Amino acid sequence: KQEVTQIPAALSVPEGENLVLNCSFTDSAIYNLQWFRQDPGKGLTSLLLIQSSQREQTSGRLNASLDKSSGRSTLYIAASQPGDSATYLCAGDNAGNMLTFGGGTRLMVKP
Amino acid sequence: GAGVSQSPSNKVTEKGKDVELRCDPISGHTALYWYRQSLGQGLEFLIYFQGNSAPDKSGLPSDRFSAERTGGSVSTLTIQRTQQEDSAVYLCASRRTSGGYNEQFFGPGTRLTVL
Repeated sequence: KQEVTQIPAALSVPEGENLVLNCSFTDSAIYNLQWFRQDPGKGLTSLLLIQSSQREQTSGRLNASLDKSSGRSTLYIAASQPGDSATYLCAGDNAGNMLTFGGGTRLMVKP
Repeated sequence: GAGVSQSPSNKVTEKGKDVELRCDPISGHTALYWYRQSLGQGLEFLIYFQGNSAPDKSGLPSDRFSAERTGGSVSTLTIQRTQQEDSAVYLCASRRTSGGYNEQFFGPGTRLTVL
């Protein structure tokens, strides 16, 4: 059974810092990995999807990598802004089925 | 374009009552998922519909939970004889399955409170 862990659970940084969020998973047979953002009281916004054949994806100031052999994914946020404050969730699936989520990292970017 | 929509956004009910939660997926998305997000359990999978195939119900926590999807589009999640531990945010997601794997898109959720 796939288990997904995110470290740290919470992170507070000053505006402008580059930061890395970590996600680890137990089953290297993971097919795809998806990173989401969740604002308080809201649903999930998809940020990046890394398919099993890929090693990284980039969107604006965000870069996500996937290393299946080590069971890790990272989300890199460059030049953080207060508007980046939210909970970030990673989730993996096996062969396109349901997602298994990590517990999330609560990010606070201070002005 | 319209995203995944869910209704109601909030539902307060008394213990023992039945509730129905609705999900309208993105048009053309053949896969539909229900998840539950609660304080103690995080985000957990409930049920998955793919086209005309039998749904994957492996995540449903008890037989009080059921879901259907009519005409391959709208889905309804029904919780019978609600209990206080059913209080959570229920999230629906849909995914396009043609043209290779695609990401799941989530609705805003229904916050269920069982008194």
